[in-house]
Amino acid sequence: AQRVTQPEKLLSVFKGAPVELKCNYSYSGSPELFWYVQYSRQRLQLLLRHISRESIKGFTADLNKGETSFHLKKPFAQEEDSAMYYCALSISGSGTYKYIFGTGTRLKVLA
Amino acid sequence: GAVVSQHPSRVICKSGTSVKIECRSLDFQATTMFWYRQFPKQSLMLMATSNEGSKATYEQGVEKDKFLINHASLTLSTLTVTSAHPEDSSFYICSAGRKEGGRSDTQYFGPGTRLTVL
Repeated sequence: AQRVTQPEKLLSVFKGAPVELKCNYSYSGSPELFWYVQYSRQRLQLLLRHISRESIKGFTADLNKGETSFHLKKPFAQEEDSAMYYCALSISGSGTYKYIFGTGTRLKVLA
Repeated sequence: GAVVSQHPSRVICKSGTSVKIECRSLDFQATTMFWYRQFPKQSLMLMATSNEGSKATYEQGVEKDKFLINHASLTLSTLTVTSAHPEDSSFYICSAGRKEGGRSDTQYFGPGTRLTVL
């Protein structure tokens, strides 16, 4: 069965500390993974796509097919990074696709 | 770029009435749009996939006669909650897919619509 697991509901770190938000997936096909962020009272915004291999706002994520993971990392957390983070897996079939979202991790960056 | 709007942002209606929510991609064309429901402090639950010019595909457990979806153009999809009841009160979010490489489109999300059924 297709599944996305974000094991931490809440992650609190101090400003300047490294951050790692965990995401594991289960999918028999070739995965496409995304990270979305939702700041307080705002819409979901795309943060990263694994196929782009980009770094946005200092965040990076590497797809590890062996460990079926797509963890989100940032070396030095900032207070403005406090938000809800969702990992999403795109699954496709019969010419269509859809996302499966993890349950999300709330990141709190403390001053 | 990749802006998605939703209207209305908030609606209150009486039990038994119908409510229509619009989702528009403002600066790109979206062959596929999606409708989600989000309960407080929970993740997004996909309700249906809306394809331009064809019938929507509903997820298991979602009543297609209750949640009518129309995708009349490449920039507009509508969700109509028919005969709404208090248990339909929720936060409804749409997204639109934009081609950016890869097998699947990248989804861009609207701001959501808060529906309250009295």
